[in-house]
Amino acid sequence: DQQVKQNSPSLSVQEGRISILNCDYTNSMFDYFLWYKKYPAEGPTFLISISSIKDKNEDGRFTVFLNKSAKHLSLHIVPSQPGDSAVYFCAADWGTSGSRLTFGEGTQLTVNP
Amino acid sequence: DVKVTQSSRYLVKRTGEKVFLECVQDMDHENMFWYRQDPGLGLRLIYFSYDVKMKEKGDIPEGYSVSREKKERFSLILESASTNQTSMYLCASRGQNSPLHFGNGTRLTVT
Repeated sequence: DQQVKQNSPSLSVQEGRISILNCDYTNSMFDYFLWYKKYPAEGPTFLISISSIKDKNEDGRFTVFLNKSAKHLSLHIVPSQPGDSAVYFCAADWGTSGSRLTFGEGTQLTVNP
Repeated sequence: DVKVTQSSRYLVKRTGEKVFLECVQDMDHENMFWYRQDPGLGLRLIYFSYDVKMKEKGDIPEGYSVSREKKERFSLILESASTNQTSMYLCASRGQNSPLHFGNGTRLTVT
């Protein structure tokens, strides 16, 4: 039972344009959401997060939007850069520290120069 | 900066061997995790630990065990390696109210 789903295995965009990565979840108990980025041969690194009390969080070129009624979140990257090419994982959590993240399948983003 | 170190980047083992994957973190984090990453399946939690000598099963614990004798070290053990355990294994740690910090992974091949 996949509680966090990223339905697009891959996405290709032109440098300078917007990248939009999507994520859907089924468990209404989730109250904290994160995005991780992973380059080949490296571990995932934390990118940005959002609490369920917000609907938007911004950090430089990265913005995460949360639609709780639709159980959907998205990551926007503007403008996209070739160095953004990586696998992006969406993750969801609930409760206090010590609980465990549930990850989506990942989306391979390729930004073409 | 948090550092999570996995002792091996690549391992090749034979079916039936006992395999130890070691992980050390340097930030005094209480919580440590073992995930495996497979194409199309994302990251799946095998085991986690929230304190020394404590362990909890994750989503796919079958065929694995863990050991946490010291706070900074969390070991994953494959009691009898099988080919379906060929995967990328990722260790992570997490403190209070902080995101997961991952190691660089161990690519295990079981032949």
